[in-house]
Amino acid sequence: SYELTQPPSVSVSPGQTARITCSGDALPKQYAYWYQQKPGQAPVLVIYKDSERPSGIPERFSGSSSGTTVTLTISGVQAEDEADYYCQSADSSGTYQVVFGGGTKLTVL
Amino acid sequence: EVQLVESGGGLVQPGGSLRLSCAASGFTFSSYDMHWVRQATGKGLEWVSAIGTAGDTYYPGSVKGRFTISRENAKNSLYLQMNSLRAGDTAVYYCARARSGGSCYDYWGQGTLVTVSS
Repeated sequence: SYELTQPPSVSVSPGQTARITCSGDALPKQYAYWYQQKPGQAPVLVIYKDSERPSGIPERFSGSSSGTTVTLTISGVQAEDEADYYCQSADSSGTYQVVFGGGTKLTVL
Repeated sequence: EVQLVESGGGLVQPGGSLRLSCAASGFTFSSYDMHWVRQATGKGLEWVSAIGTAGDTYYPGSVKGRFTISRENAKNSLYLQMNSLRAGDTAVYYCARARSGGSCYDYWGQGTLVTVSS
């Protein structure tokens, strides 16, 4: 089955750059998406189609893709960016399925 | 303003059934694929089911044969019928709208908690 792998945690100081990776064998063929989730809240889409940013999402959020790994980059991290981040993809090559990574806890030191 | 409001969660015994509802507003409901996604306490997100605009349905193996997703466009409503519930189905269940042209979610409800316990 299709799997996405993320590091459990990433820590950065305010103003630094945070990079969260997501790896999966199907990522060269399928788009990746990123969500931010704060405690007690529903997830929010922050990146779609690997690198596109929805309206209303700050420019400090960006996405990139290289081979089997996609990366969410948060430049100039702010305290409010502390949250869980999930990558997600979908595979329609066989039976349609949606897959999430296990999530990465971003801690702003 | 797009709104998704889930209801129907609660406490149910193992082996029991529950029907979740999601009331949609602020957009043309019939034009969008809709999904259910769940999250156990302290755990990650898990896709539960999807329904296309034509009524085509999709499930992961973990719920296939036990859960049924449906929609009623005239009522702008999405449903999830859950049968043969297990302790492992305990989670917050979110209704989510699939972004037009993409397999991701641009709007989510606030979720409804389902607890399966004796």
